[in-house]
Amino acid sequence: AQTVTQSQPEMSVQEAETVTLSCTYDTSENNYYLFWYKQPPSRQMILVIRQEAYKQQNATENRFSVNFQKAAKSFSLKISDSQLGDTAMYFCAFYNTNAGKSTFGDGTTLTVKP
Amino acid sequence: DAMVIQNPRYQVTQFGKPVTLSCSQTLNHNVMYWYQQKSSQAPKLLFHYYDKDFNNEADTPDNFQSRRPNTSFCFLDIRSPGLGDAAMYLCATSRGDRSSYEQYFGPGTRLTVT
Repeated sequence: AQTVTQSQPEMSVQEAETVTLSCTYDTSENNYYLFWYKQPPSRQMILVIRQEAYKQQNATENRFSVNFQKAAKSFSLKISDSQLGDTAMYFCAFYNTNAGKSTFGDGTTLTVKP
Repeated sequence: DAMVIQNPRYQVTQFGKPVTLSCSQTLNHNVMYWYQQKSSQAPKLLFHYYDKDFNNEADTPDNFQSRRPNTSFCFLDIRSPGLGDAAMYLCATSRGDRSSYEQYFGPGTRLTVT
C-alpha cells in the first residue's frame, strides 16, 4: 500500500511571494503518477499539476511547478507570484496505475495574505 | 461544458433512514469514484467503478453501497446512516488510461445526519 505524507498542515504566504508545499510518499511501485489538487473553500477540487514518474523533467504549469525527486520519493509544489485566489487546501495524490486509484495526503491549507 | 454533477448539494437525513446520493458525468469517462471527506481531511476512497467493474475498498463499511446503471450515472446508497457518516461525499471521474489519469471532481454532497 502507498502512503502520502504532507508534513505542513498549514502555511501562509504574502501575495506575490513564492511558497513551496512538501509531499513525500512511500511505494514499491515503479510506474505511477503524482498529482497536486487544489480545493478552495466551499468549492470543488481541481487539478493543479501532474507528474509522470517515468519522466525526469519536472512539470510546470504557469506559476506552478514541481520538484520531483524519484529516488527520495519527494514531490513538492512551488507556487510563484502567489495570488489571493491561491488560498485553498492543497492535496498531494499518488496514483497507482495497477490498482487504478489514488491515495491522498492529509492536505496543506495555504493562506495567501494581501 | 463537460462536467461532473452531484445531486443534491446538501442532504439532511435522520439517523437510520436510507439515503441515496447521485452523480452524473458528461465527460464519458470510464472510471467513477466515490470519496468520503470529513472536515479538512483527505478524501477517503469508498469504492470505484472501471466501466461496470466494481472495486470496493476493504475498509468501506457494508452500510455503503453503490450502483452504476450506465456510463453517465453512479449512485451512493447509505442504508442506515449513523452520526459518523456525516461528511462531504465527493464523486470523481477519470478516463483511466495513460492519456489521462487525472480525476475530475464534482462539487460534493454535504450529508447531515440528525
